[in-house]
Amino acid sequence: AQTVTQSQPEMSVQEAETVTLSCTYDTSENNYYLFWYKQPPSRQMILVIRQEAYKQQNATENRFSVNFQKAAKSFSLKISDSQLGDTAMYFCAFMKPKSGGFQKLVFGTGTRLLVSP
Amino acid sequence: ETGVTQTPRHLVMGMTNKKSLKCEQHLGHNAMYWYKQSAKKPLELMFVYSLEERVENNSVPSRFSPECPNSSHLFLHLHTLQPEDSALYLCASSQDAARYNEQFFGPGTRLTVL
Repeated sequence: AQTVTQSQPEMSVQEAETVTLSCTYDTSENNYYLFWYKQPPSRQMILVIRQEAYKQQNATENRFSVNFQKAAKSFSLKISDSQLGDTAMYFCAFMKPKSGGFQKLVFGTGTRLLVSP
Repeated sequence: ETGVTQTPRHLVMGMTNKKSLKCEQHLGHNAMYWYKQSAKKPLELMFVYSLEERVENNSVPSRFSPECPNSSHLFLHLHTLQPEDSALYLCASSQDAARYNEQFFGPGTRLTVL
């Protein structure tokens, strides 16, 4: 079974600085998807960024980028120029494509990020 | 309303009560999901519906009973719950459950069982 581990329960960063959230996962699959979701205090979870395992290039979305190390099964999220609105819980998630059935998202326990002025 | 909405946002109930959580998606999606979010635990998938048919029941106790009357609405009926069922219950939807599609989440219902 796939598992996702986020070893940092809480992180703090000052506004305008850069922070990296770590995520590791365990799978024997070669093709899969990885995601970072953000859950602000208002609780609506939104997708921040996703990475297809077959793509070597790291995904980037504005100030958010990932460092995907497939061999190490590591998928960290870097937030540049942190803003107060980045304060949230961040969840790393894994999905293995499969034919038929449904696509199941496996989540980590989350990292609470606090951005301070 | 846009996206995925959930009502109520907060619910307090006793162990003998019967209540229902409601989820509605305005995205034209065909798949809907219930998740349970407890503190310091990964999100737990509870149920998946695809085209109003349940495709997954992830070993959830029978005191949780889902209902999907159409592709836009999903309910979670609750009865004789336990205090350990207190959690944030999230609804999500996606275009298609069988292929990769982004899941869109609602704001959740914070449930407290006394």
